[in-house]
Formats: sequence, structure tokens, C-alpha cells
Amino acid sequence: AQSVTQLDSQVPVFEEAPVELRCNYSSSVSVYLFWYVQYPNQGLQLLLKYLSGSTLVKGINGFEAEFNKSQTSFHLRKPSVHISDTAEYFCAVSDSNAGGTSYGKLTFGQGTILTVHP
Amino acid sequence: ETGVTQTPRHLVMGMTNKKSLKCEQHLGHNAMYWYKQSAKKPLELMFVYNFKEQTENNSVPSRFSPECPNSSHLFLHLHTLQPEDSALYLCASSQGGGGRYEQYFGPGTRLTVT
Repeated sequence: AQSVTQLDSQVPVFEEAPVELRCNYSSSVSVYLFWYVQYPNQGLQLLLKYLSGSTLVKGINGFEAEFNKSQTSFHLRKPSVHISDTAEYFCAVSDSNAGGTSYGKLTFGQGTILTVHP
Repeated sequence: ETGVTQTPRHLVMGMTNKKSLKCEQHLGHNAMYWYKQSAKKPLELMFVYNFKEQTENNSVPSRFSPECPNSSHLFLHLHTLQPEDSALYLCASSQGGGGRYEQYFGPGTRLTVT
């Protein structure tokens, strides 16, 4: 079974400041990793994903994340946030092994609400 | 219409009512999903359909009944719900059923059970 822990339920930050949203996962198999964002009254939208290769992944809206296998982490970062980045962010993991019991299923963390203040 | 659409966006129903949620994807995808999003809880996967076949039922109570008549449409039939079923129900689709495929989400149906 897999699990995802987002270490902060809420992160307040001022506009133009850097931000890091933390995500740790637990899995007995190799995984794919995702960050999704949910704006108010909307569904989830993919920010970025790690499938293989370079551990530093760049996504939309200036976000990036780094996969650290030894620490089982996939933290999301942005060097300078905007008011429009205010949203809830979800880290998710799926099994990369075809035929595994959780293959194709996304397991989500509980979400981190990022609030950007002027 | 583009992406994934869901209707209705809001639904209030009594515990004895029967209603249905509809999802339609305009992306040519082969897999579709129902999720439940409750306050202060992680998204819960309910059902997965791959090429119209149900491949996952995540121990969902029988008062929720999914239907996938084709790869573009997904329904969730609701009957005799409980107040704790009040939540945001999200539909998603992906190109394939494997874990590497990005899931595209609809805006959700906000369900309130009275």
C-alpha cells in the first residue's frame, strides 16, 4: 500500500516570497509522483509530474519539484509567488509497476492550502 | 465543450431521493474515474473504468452505483444516501489506465444530503 503525507496543512506567505510545500510518500515499489492544484470551485489541474530521469521537474506557472528517493520526498517549490497562486495543492503517488495492486491508482495527500498575502 | 464536464454543479437531495451525476470527457481518453472529496480528508478514489469496464471499486457502499455506457460518459447513480455522503464528487479521465498518465478533472458536483 502507498501513502502520502503533506507536512503542512496551511502555508501563508507574502507575495514575491519563495515557498516550499512539502510532500513525503511511502511505498514498497517504484512510483510516479504528481503535484496537482485546485483553485476555488474548480477541479484539480496537473502542475507537474515525475516519471523517470532527471530528479528536478519543472511544471507550469513557475513551479518545480525535486524527487529525492532516499528521503522519499517530492517537495514543491516556487521562487516568487503571486496572489494568483492562492489555492490548495495536492501531492499524489501511483504505482509504476504494471500488475501491482495499486497500478494506475492515484493516492493523494490531504492537501496544503497556500495563501499568498499582498 | 472541452475537457471534462460535470452536471449538475450543485445538488441538494433528501435521504430518500434518487439522483444521478453525469460526467463527459471530450479528450478521447479511455479511462474514467469517480472521486469523493470531503472536508479535511484526502481525495478518495471510488471507481475506475477502463474501456468501459469497471476495474476498480474501492469498497464503495451500494447506494452509489456507477455506469459507463461508453468511453466518453460516466454516471454516478445515487439512492438512499446518508448525510455523511455530502461532499464534492469529482470525475476525471486519462489516456490510459496506467499510473503514468495524467488525470484530467472536471469541476465537480457539490452534493448536499439533507
